[in-house]
Amino acid sequence: GAVVSQHPSRVICKSGTSVKIECRSLDFQATTMFWYRQFPKQSLMLMATSNEGSKATYEQGVEKDKFLINHASLTLSTLTVTSAHPEDSSFYICSAGRGDTSSGQYFGPGTRLTVT
Amino acid sequence: GQNIDQPTEMTATEGAIVQINCTYQTSGFNGLFWYQQHAGEAPTFLSYNVLDGLEEKGRFSSFLSRSKGYSYLLLKELQMKDSASYLCAAMDSNYQLIWGAGTKLIIKP
Repeated sequence: GAVVSQHPSRVICKSGTSVKIECRSLDFQATTMFWYRQFPKQSLMLMATSNEGSKATYEQGVEKDKFLINHASLTLSTLTVTSAHPEDSSFYICSAGRGDTSSGQYFGPGTRLTVT
Repeated sequence: GQNIDQPTEMTATEGAIVQINCTYQTSGFNGLFWYQQHAGEAPTFLSYNVLDGLEEKGRFSSFLSRSKGYSYLLLKELQMKDSASYLCAAMDSNYQLIWGAGTKLIIKP
């Protein structure tokens, strides 16, 4: 159990367009979902934490108007990269927590975004 | 501030044993996690320690010393498929994971 899916797995878009990434917990209800970004050969960088039905909490330096997060239900969170630029090209990974500390976070497979 | 330190890269031989160390400083502490991440993939959970001591799970073991702010991941009988990055993460008082930069483990035949 504890499977998290993410869609799409890869996306290429033109500069100035918006891209939506979906994250779903398939077999459990996720009280909290997390969005990370990872550049090549670097560690995970937490972008924001979202709880169902409330506004996301963004990390310092992450523009909330550029990276729109919606956590509509206990099984779905979306990240929309608005007006994408080449520097937004990265590996975006979502994760979900079941509410028990010892299980940590369950990660989706990630989305490779390339902005041309 | 909060900080996680782990070596950037390690090399080991197939069939051998390797220990990856991690030291942490966090505001409060709710456990230490180890994740494995293969290139181009998302991390997968390996272990969780919240009490001092050694947790063994097959070929992988994880150790924690809370007083020293120290953990290690021990991998035995190394296989080529163990080549990956190993991420150490400490959970702070807000139940947020603080991530290390990861240790890239290279396994040689």
